[in-house]
Amino acid sequence: EADIYQTPRYLVIGTGKKITLECSQTMGHDKMYWYQQDPGMELHLIHYSYGVNSTEKGDLSSESTVSRIRTEHFPLTLESARPSHTSQYLCASSGSGDFANEQFFGPGTRLTVL
Amino acid sequence: QKEVEQNSGPLSVPEGAIASLNCTYSDRGSQSFFWYRQYSGKSPELIMFIYSNGDKEDGRFTAQLNKASQYVSLLIRDSQPSDSATYLCAVNVIIQGAQKLVFGQGTRLTINP
Repeated sequence: EADIYQTPRYLVIGTGKKITLECSQTMGHDKMYWYQQDPGMELHLIHYSYGVNSTEKGDLSSESTVSRIRTEHFPLTLESARPSHTSQYLCASSGSGDFANEQFFGPGTRLTVL
Repeated sequence: QKEVEQNSGPLSVPEGAIASLNCTYSDRGSQSFFWYRQYSGKSPELIMFIYSNGDKEDGRFTAQLNKASQYVSLLIRDSQPSDSATYLCAVNVIIQGAQKLVFGQGTRLTINP
């Protein structure tokens, strides 16, 4: 079944640790995105990729980095986690074509940095 | 001016009534428009998309698009308590030559039994 997956779903970690949030999709989509969302607040785009070896920063400045080595995989890394990074991180993907901007979201990773 | 604007609510509607959610956008070149539903603590779920002026119906949901006035709305008929969620409007815009989906801040809808 075509879908988009995120792991872990929940992560509690100490300050200074390096973490990688995983995102994979089996829909064959070229475009992938990372959003950050605090409870009850807006979605903020932090990174996006339009294909392999293509990554761009989004609208919200983020200390995280991303990579896109394979079409289906778009991991997000925080080199040194801080309490200010506590948030929900949502991965999404979309296909190509004239009107193919429908984005499909993964279940999210809720990150807590102590 | 934000590219996509929604009333943050909360919007409270009695069960069985019609809920009306509105969204305005600033980019006249936008061609595709989406409504997402987000339950508390969950990820957004696409419920409707519309590309042409007029109405598009899907079950209890109707999306309405008026490009001349730059607004898109979502009507939910026979509202149910399970419709209580935040509804996000998203609009396709061209930024620096690239197509991007811009989300509004969302309208929180509560359906009262």
